[in-house]
Amino acid sequence: EVQILESGGDLVQPGGSLRLSCAASGFTFNTYEMSWVRQAPGKGLEWVSTISPSSDYAYYADSVKGRFTISRDNSRNTLYLQMNSLRAEDTALYYCSKGSACDYWGQGTVVTVSS
Amino acid sequence: DVVMTQSPLSLPVTLGQPASISCRSSQSLVNSGGQTFLNWFLQRPGQSPRRLIYMVSYRDSGVPDRFSGSGSGTDFTLKISRVEAEDVGIYYCMQATHWPRTFGQGTRVEIK
Repeated sequence: EVQILESGGDLVQPGGSLRLSCAASGFTFNTYEMSWVRQAPGKGLEWVSTISPSSDYAYYADSVKGRFTISRDNSRNTLYLQMNSLRAEDTALYYCSKGSACDYWGQGTVVTVSS
Repeated sequence: DVVMTQSPLSLPVTLGQPASISCRSSQSLVNSGGQTFLNWFLQRPGQSPRRLIYMVSYRDSGVPDRFSGSGSGTDFTLKISRVEAEDVGIYYCMQATHWPRTFGQGTRVEIK
């Protein structure tokens, strides 16, 4: 059974940093792309970033490019999202998802950017 | 970026009746290999999204056969043959052919 569990969400001030983690199990982690998708309060889904199985490429939404970095540790079956220079508009529920076509999702972790 | 446009944005339906949601993309979703990566998701109230359909018309494991996807190029449709109470929620289309990946605005399905 595929299981995805995000963690690391918190309340942070504008300009601050945060690192999200996503622990995955139930599939061969190192053979799949992995993605982050976010959902602002009361809004729709927004794709954030995707990383290749061996970390040789990554893609980002323009809204986070240069501020967020996706990475993974295949030995730990864990995906990360380093978020720097956070803005109020980054406030959202952040989901980790298997693949770039998002076939499985976690429950999400809440990031709130506010002073 | 590929813009995904869903219609309608709100869909009141009667239990047992069919429902249909349209999704149009601003450019073709056919890749150089001839494949089309158009997915449909359902987000029930208070839950994470769940993928229902991938590559236009393939149902994910465990998805009831009352759900079907169709379309090609830039024009796609999700159909529910007979709506059940558990189908209430927001439906999103998403294209996975081009970078960045993009979602439609969502269609809220509710029971009349």
